Amino acid sequence: ELKVEQNPLFLSMQEGKNYTIYCNYSTTSDRLYWYRQDPGKSLESLFVLLSNGAVKQEGRLMASLDTKARLSTLHITAAVHDLSATYFCAVAGDNFNKFYFGSGTKLNVKP
Amino acid sequence: DADVTQTPRNRITKTGKRIMLECSQTKGHDRMYWYRQDPGLGLRLIYYSFDVKDINKGEISDGYSVSRQAQAKFSLSLESAIPNQTALYFCATSDLVAGGFEQFFGPGTRLTVL
Repeated sequence: ELKVEQNPLFLSMQEGKNYTIYCNYSTTSDRLYWYRQDPGKSLESLFVLLSNGAVKQEGRLMASLDTKARLSTLHITAAVHDLSATYFCAVAGDNFNKFYFGSGTKLNVKP
Repeated sequence: DADVTQTPRNRITKTGKRIMLECSQTKGHDRMYWYRQDPGLGLRLIYYSFDVKDINKGEISDGYSVSRQAQAKFSLSLESAIPNQTALYFCATSDLVAGGFEQFFGPGTRLTVL
C-alpha cells in the first residue's frame, strides 16, 4: 500500500518568513496533489502536479514534484496570517483509481 | 449551488443505531469516494465507486456499507454505530482534468457516536 508522509506535522512561523513543507511517498507515482483545509471546512484544491519536475505557483505558495526522489515540496514565501490552515498532500495510486493522503501539516502564521 | 453536497452536516447518535450519510453531485462525474478524517490521520478511504455497478472497498471499510443509487448519489451506512466511528466524513468525486484525475470534495458530515 502506498504510504505518504508529511513533515513537519505542525509549523508555527512569523509573518514574513519563508518555509517549506515536505511530502514523501513510498511507491512510484507522477500525480501529486496539494490541498488546504481551514478549521471545520472541506478540502480546497491548491495544486495538481502531473509530471516529474512540475512546478506550480499561486501567490505566496509554490509546489514542486520530483518523482525520482518521490518528493514534493510546498514552499511558503513571506508568510501572512491568512495562510494559517492545514495543508495536505495526496498521491494518486493504483492506476489513478485511489488517492492516498498525508497526515497534514498544521500551519500557524503569527502576526 | 455546491457541486458536491452532503446530508446531514452534523449528526449525533447513540451506539448501536443505524446511520446513513448521503452524498449528491451535479458534476456528472462517474467516480465517487467516501473518506473519514480523524485528527492527525489525514483522510482515509472507506469505499469508492466508478459507476452504479462498481463498488470497491477502501482501506477501512469494516463497519461500513455503501449504496450507489445513481451516478449522482452515493450513500454511506453505519449499520450499528460505535463510538470510534466518531469522525468527520467527506464525500468526493473525481474526473480527468487537464491530463490528471482531480478530486472535488463535499462540505463534510460531522458524526458523533455516543
